[in-house]
Amino acid sequence: GQQVMQIPQYQHVQEGEDFTTYCNSSTTLSNIQWYKQRPGGHPVFLIQLVKSGEVKKQKRLTFQFGEAKKNSSLHITATQTTDVGTYFCAGLGGSGNTGKLIFGQGTTLQVKP
Amino acid sequence: SQTIHQWPATLVQPVGSPLSLECTVEGTSNPNLYWYRQAAGRGLQLLFYSVGIGQISSEVPQNLSASRPQDRQFILSSKKLLLSDSGFYLCASRTAGANVLTFGAGSRLTVL
Repeated sequence: GQQVMQIPQYQHVQEGEDFTTYCNSSTTLSNIQWYKQRPGGHPVFLIQLVKSGEVKKQKRLTFQFGEAKKNSSLHITATQTTDVGTYFCAGLGGSGNTGKLIFGQGTTLQVKP
Repeated sequence: SQTIHQWPATLVQPVGSPLSLECTVEGTSNPNLYWYRQAAGRGLQLLFYSVGIGQISSEVPQNLSASRPQDRQFILSSKKLLLSDSGFYLCASRTAGANVLTFGAGSRLTVL
């Protein structure tokens, strides 16, 4: 079945350093989504990428979708303590109207002040 | 926008006891509903999804079952809990025609 792999599993950075998490799918994706889960919280939608090679920015966050639509990345510039949490990528799998999202294992980011 | 209500938020249950977690959705009609489980420090495992009342698809064989008695109500159950059922259970909703999931606050289950 479809698998979505995410690396690294954990990342510790000093506040102000950059951070990147990578997502790879075993199959071509129709779109990819990114979610953030704060410690003790639930995942919250950040962004969706649909087009091959698409790049989107949200303030210090930059999201990319690979040309082959099988990989994606999230880059945070100059991390802040508010960036702490687990970042999940999710690829759309299944057929019909199920909209089954297959999630990566997540990358947990720790930021030292 | 959608609002997902989940309860209870936290529960501690002995092995062999039954389980019922409830999820209700506001602000949308005919949503696709999902149950995910998140083990400590791990990713999100899809357990069940439903595209309509009474329609349940199971993703993995396990000790749990799901039911959807009403359009905006999704229930996760077990007759006899196992230690391995411990985890953080998340209900999610997707409006028809959209891809984005909205998650509830989750139910944290500890089986002792």
